[in-house]
Amino acid sequence: AQRVTQPEKLLSVFKGAPVELKCNYSYSGSPELFWYVQYSRQRLQLLLRHISRESIKGFTADLNKGETSFHLKKPFAQEEDSAMYYCALSGRSGNTGKLIFGQGTTLQVKP
Amino acid sequence: DTAVSQTPKYLVTQMGNDKSIKCEQNLGHDTMYWYKQDSKKFLKIMFSYNNKELIINETVPNRFSPKSPDKAHLNLHINSLELGDSAVYFCASSRDTDTQYFGPGTRLTVL
Repeated sequence: AQRVTQPEKLLSVFKGAPVELKCNYSYSGSPELFWYVQYSRQRLQLLLRHISRESIKGFTADLNKGETSFHLKKPFAQEEDSAMYYCALSGRSGNTGKLIFGQGTTLQVKP
Repeated sequence: DTAVSQTPKYLVTQMGNDKSIKCEQNLGHDTMYWYKQDSKKFLKIMFSYNNKELIINETVPNRFSPKSPDKAHLNLHINSLELGDSAVYFCASSRDTDTQYFGPGTRLTVL
């Protein structure tokens, strides 16, 4: 079954501390993984996707097929990073574009 | 503004009523989606249309009927509203199965 798991509902860190938002997935084929972010009272927006292999707002995520993980990392958290983060999966074979989301993790960066 | 827009932003209604939510995108995309975000912030796909043709129909009650009059619009009509339909409904669009862009959401409250 296709599934995305984000084990932490809430992650609270101090400004300047490293951040790691965990994401594990279950998919039999070749998945495409995404991180979406939802700032307070704003729409969901794409943060990054694994095929781009880029760093957005200091965030990076590496697809680890052995551990079936796609954890989101940032070395130094900023207060403006406080938001809800969703990990999502899209299957590549017979891809319908359907995104399967994790439960979401609220990141709270304290001053 | 180039974006995905939804109307209304808030919708409060009585159980048993019929209501519609509208979605429009001016990004030139050919695929549109409806997602439901429940009270626990869990996001799940409901429907997907590609070039006005239904592609994805998850196990959603028949009371929910999407309609795509053209590629730029995907409306969601809900009959006989129930308490459990209370949620935030997000529309999204993409070029084929590429990155999805989300609307601001419609918060539906059924009393």
